[in-house]
Amino acid sequence: DGGITQSPKYLFRKEGQNVTLSCEQNLNHDAMYWYRQDPGQGLRLIYYSQIVNDFQKGDIAEGYSVSREKKESFPLTVTSAQKNPTAFYLCASSSGALRPQHFGDGTRLSIL
Amino acid sequence: GESVGLHLPTLSVQEGDNSIINCAYSNSASDYFIWYKQESGKGPQFIIDIRSNMDKRQGQRVTVLLNKTVKHLSLQIAATQPGDSAVYFCAENPSGTYKYIFGTGTRLKVLA
Repeated sequence: DGGITQSPKYLFRKEGQNVTLSCEQNLNHDAMYWYRQDPGQGLRLIYYSQIVNDFQKGDIAEGYSVSREKKESFPLTVTSAQKNPTAFYLCASSSGALRPQHFGDGTRLSIL
Repeated sequence: GESVGLHLPTLSVQEGDNSIINCAYSNSASDYFIWYKQESGKGPQFIIDIRSNMDKRQGQRVTVLLNKTVKHLSLQIAATQPGDSAVYFCAENPSGTYKYIFGTGTRLKVLA
């Protein structure tokens, strides 16, 4: 089945540690996205990529980094510079603008 | 468990009744709109979409209405079932961009 796979489902970060969240899609979509979801708030865009080897900052990119070396993969690193990383992180992909985004089932990141 | 949806407005409906969930969107330049359903601990699931050149679109048991004059979107669910219990939110795609703006969501509770 085609879809988006996020791993791990739960992740714990120690102080000063960088952690990387995985996102893989087999939908052959060009565009991929990372969102952060906090209770009572809408999804906020961290980074997005319209095509391989290119990505743009979203609304809350500080403390995060991404890479897009392969079409199917868009990993997100939460760096130690992100002071409030506890959240539910969602990865999505789409075939372009004016198209629905398809989401993975998320990674819940917590601080130890 | 998943805490997304805390402090969200809640709509409670009796099983078998129709549900109407509303969304006010922000950008008058948006020309594509999506409704998503999110169950606890999962990623958002696409329900239905509509483009700005339409004011109504129907799917299976769902209808989306778009009023561009007042920037309002609604989702109607016919014969609401227990499996419809979830958080529902809208998203808008401003023209010419790959970015989506998400609403905060409404929790739908179906009473047996």
